Amino acid sequence: DGGITQSPKYLFRKEGQNVTLSCEQNLNHDAMYWYRQDPGQGLRLIYYSQIVNDFQKGDIAEGYSVSREKKESFPLTVTSAQKNPTAFYLCATGHLTAEAFFGQGTRLTVV
Amino acid sequence: QKEVEQNSGPLSVPEGAIASLNCTYSDRGSQSFFWYRQYSGKSPELIMSIYSNGDKEDGRFTAQLNKASQYVSLLIRDSQPSDSATYLCAVNPGSNYQLIWGAGTKLIIKP
Repeated sequence: DGGITQSPKYLFRKEGQNVTLSCEQNLNHDAMYWYRQDPGQGLRLIYYSQIVNDFQKGDIAEGYSVSREKKESFPLTVTSAQKNPTAFYLCATGHLTAEAFFGQGTRLTVV
Repeated sequence: QKEVEQNSGPLSVPEGAIASLNCTYSDRGSQSFFWYRQYSGKSPELIMSIYSNGDKEDGRFTAQLNKASQYVSLLIRDSQPSDSATYLCAVNPGSNYQLIWGAGTKLIIKP
């Protein structure tokens, strides 16, 4: 079954804790993206990757880290340096100049 | 800085009427244009893509592109309550893999 799988759907983080959000795709897309969406707001780009072992910072990369060891996988780590991490996190994939397709999202809450 | 502008709304339209959503962009060299629909609490889903000037129709949806005036619009005919959602405009400037996103327009279809 083709698509983009994000896990978990809901995640709770304690103060000072690092957490990792998973994103896996079997669409054979080159590019993968991580976006953050706050309530009532648009999408803000955190990181993106065009090829394996390479990635670029987006507009709000501080407090986040990523890796791209396989074409299919692009995990996002929310570190303790991110002081306000509560948000809806969206992973997307796509090709150059083409549209992006989204996973179902992970809702992260700080407790 | 490349920008995409949308009226945040909410835009309220009676059931059965035509809903008209607009988007302007700043980069004159932009090549690809997309409309996404996002229901509350869900991830965005692609509903229309357009690459050349003019109209593109798909069912009740029509995308219109005017590169000279740097705007793209989405018309929804015979609006249904199920069309109530936030509509996001995305533009690919063609220079890399990044999409530039508008903040979205909230559409409310009143029965």
